[in-house]
Amino acid sequence: GAGVSQSPRYKVAKRGQDVALRCDPISGHVSLFWYQQALGQGPEFLTYFQNEAQLDKSGLPSDRFFAERPEGSVSTLKIQRTQQEDSAVYLCASSLFRNLAKNIQYFGAGTRLSVL
Amino acid sequence: KQEVTQIPAALSVPEGENLVLNCSFTDSAIYNLQWFRQDPGKGLTSLLLIQSSQREQTSGRLNASLDKSSGRSTLYIAASQPGDSATYLCAGLFMYSGGGADGLTFGKGTHLIIQP
Repeated sequence: GAGVSQSPRYKVAKRGQDVALRCDPISGHVSLFWYQQALGQGPEFLTYFQNEAQLDKSGLPSDRFFAERPEGSVSTLKIQRTQQEDSAVYLCASSLFRNLAKNIQYFGAGTRLSVL
Repeated sequence: KQEVTQIPAALSVPEGENLVLNCSFTDSAIYNLQWFRQDPGKGLTSLLLIQSSQREQTSGRLNASLDKSSGRSTLYIAASQPGDSATYLCAGLFMYSGGGADGLTFGKGTHLIIQP
């Protein structure tokens, strides 16, 4: 596709529910990133894939957060037993080059998660 | 842990003025620095990327500079227009001690309003 696509755009969950957020990166992009953006804050890094390999998950806030990219393309961020503090916009980004210094990250519009 | 700070947090200027947004970072071991624009309810649009070996980048009315030694970057917007109103975020890609990197580290952004 022309850009990074995320779905759903909005998700309302009851506390304790599991949610799954989807990211379709730009075709051919090797690297894929997930970020969490709280209201009024800058995005914070969660995790990073190069093809299907998850190279860094140091930003995941708890073991309730899990991300996968099994075929090196579409990625899913799963949050188990959602809590109110999980409410945020979840942004996905992809980039073409393996060389991180040269890569421009292209962002999707995000999924706004509200946990009631 | 790397920190990225942006000042001012908000700025309102009349149309036509030139303006400068500031970004500072604590770690000089940086691969690159990116400036993004974020419109309400939207994802991030990459404006400029400056690699660590570069001093500045220009695109149209925008000019971004990078000074690694002082830990500073600036985004200069010439002849501002109401359509420039948005939140501007700077983000650095910092190196691990082993030479790798994870995701971008963002500032909290500068909320810019250009008055018609």
